[in-house]
Amino acid sequence: GDSVTQMEGPVTLSEEAFLTINCTYTATGYPSLFWYVQYPGEGLQLLLKATKADDKGSNKGFEATYRKETTSFHLEKGSVQVSDSAVYFCALRPKTGTASKLTFGTGTRLQVTL
Amino acid sequence: DTAVSQTPKYLVTQMGNDKSIKCEQNLGHDTMYWYKQDSKKFLKIMFSYNNKELIINETVPNRFSPKSPDKAHLNLHINSLELGDSAVYFCASSQAGQGTEAFFGQGTRLTVV
Repeated sequence: GDSVTQMEGPVTLSEEAFLTINCTYTATGYPSLFWYVQYPGEGLQLLLKATKADDKGSNKGFEATYRKETTSFHLEKGSVQVSDSAVYFCALRPKTGTASKLTFGTGTRLQVTL
Repeated sequence: DTAVSQTPKYLVTQMGNDKSIKCEQNLGHDTMYWYKQDSKKFLKIMFSYNNKELIINETVPNRFSPKSPDKAHLNLHINSLELGDSAVYFCASSQAGQGTEAFFGQGTRLTVV
């Protein structure tokens, strides 16, 4: 079945540091890929997405590129802020079928300090 | 206007009780889900409904029973609550097929004491 593997956290960075959170996936065909963010005490918000190979999703300074050859969708940000502290989830969803569900990775907690 | 809303936000109850969580979406989506998030933040799908029809039922105890009166609503009823049911439950909705994103509610933190 489909699965998503993301790096274990927590990740602790100083403000303005470069961020990478690794994500790889296993799926049949070419699913859509997503990064969701969960701020403390809140629900999940879509951060960015990519629906086909070589697509780059971007939002709020975060970027991720859909790499078919390495089945990866790593999240990057050039300069993190304290307000980016949250849990980040990589997810995939097949493009066909009514039973198409979002499959999540285990989440990576990011803590940014001054 | 909240896209996916679920109530209550917090629910504290005793073991053995029966409780319900309600979810409504105003996005016109045809598919709704319930996810459970455990204390380690792991998200696992429980159920999915498409146009009021149950299409995903993961390994969930029979004490959990979803009900979809129409495609904008998906409620979750839990019988005979156990300590292990304590978690955050998220409702979500999306459009079937096409690999589009799902929109999530704010979650219901259930604590069983």
